[in-house]
Amino acid sequence: GESVGLHLPTLSVQEGDNSIINCAYSNSASDYFIWYKQESGKGPQFIIDIRSNMDKRQGQRVTVLLNKTVKHLSLQIAATQPGDSAVYFCADPNAGNMLTFGGGTRLMVKP
Amino acid sequence: EAGVVQSPRYKIIEKKQPVAFWCNPISGHNTLYWYRQNLGQGPELLIRYENEEAVDDSQLPKDRFSAERLKGVDSTLKIQPAELGDSAVYLCASSLRGHNGELFFGEGSRLTVL
Repeated sequence: GESVGLHLPTLSVQEGDNSIINCAYSNSASDYFIWYKQESGKGPQFIIDIRSNMDKRQGQRVTVLLNKTVKHLSLQIAATQPGDSAVYFCADPNAGNMLTFGGGTRLMVKP
Repeated sequence: EAGVVQSPRYKIIEKKQPVAFWCNPISGHNTLYWYRQNLGQGPELLIRYENEEAVDDSQLPKDRFSAERLKGVDSTLKIQPAELGDSAVYLCASSLRGHNGELFFGEGSRLTVL
């Protein structure tokens, strides 16, 4: 069935380094993706989104890249900070006509 | 502006007992969602409301779970009777109509069933 998933469950990076979190999707018809950040004990928080007519979108310290050919997207965080430690989810709002989350990648920032 | 408010934050009950969770969405948000999040996993949709109408409840285990949003604002999610496997965080979210991607989540209600 349709799915949205991530490659790695945990990513550990040094403070100040760049982080790259990857996500694969299976539905070729998916045209809109969202990244959410979930800190411990809190609900997910919207970070950035991207539509399929774009292959790159930038926010504040974050960039999302979309490769429709291989059905892959990534979230890049520049100069990773301790406050970036969280679980990151890619989500497809249109998978089964509802927001479907992948399993999440836990980002751990080492001081 | 207040965000999505959920209560209780934590609930511990014995199996076969009932439990209820309450959610107050962001003012003006027509769409309300209940998600369940098991440990180490992403949230899974249980039910989605457009105003007071449940428009997607295909993932709600209807034998023991029920939800309502009587006046199109606050919502309650009930489990009766609870089972061990119901232990999870129950997240409520809201969004503007048509903005089905940008959801605003509450902090969740963590349920432990003993």
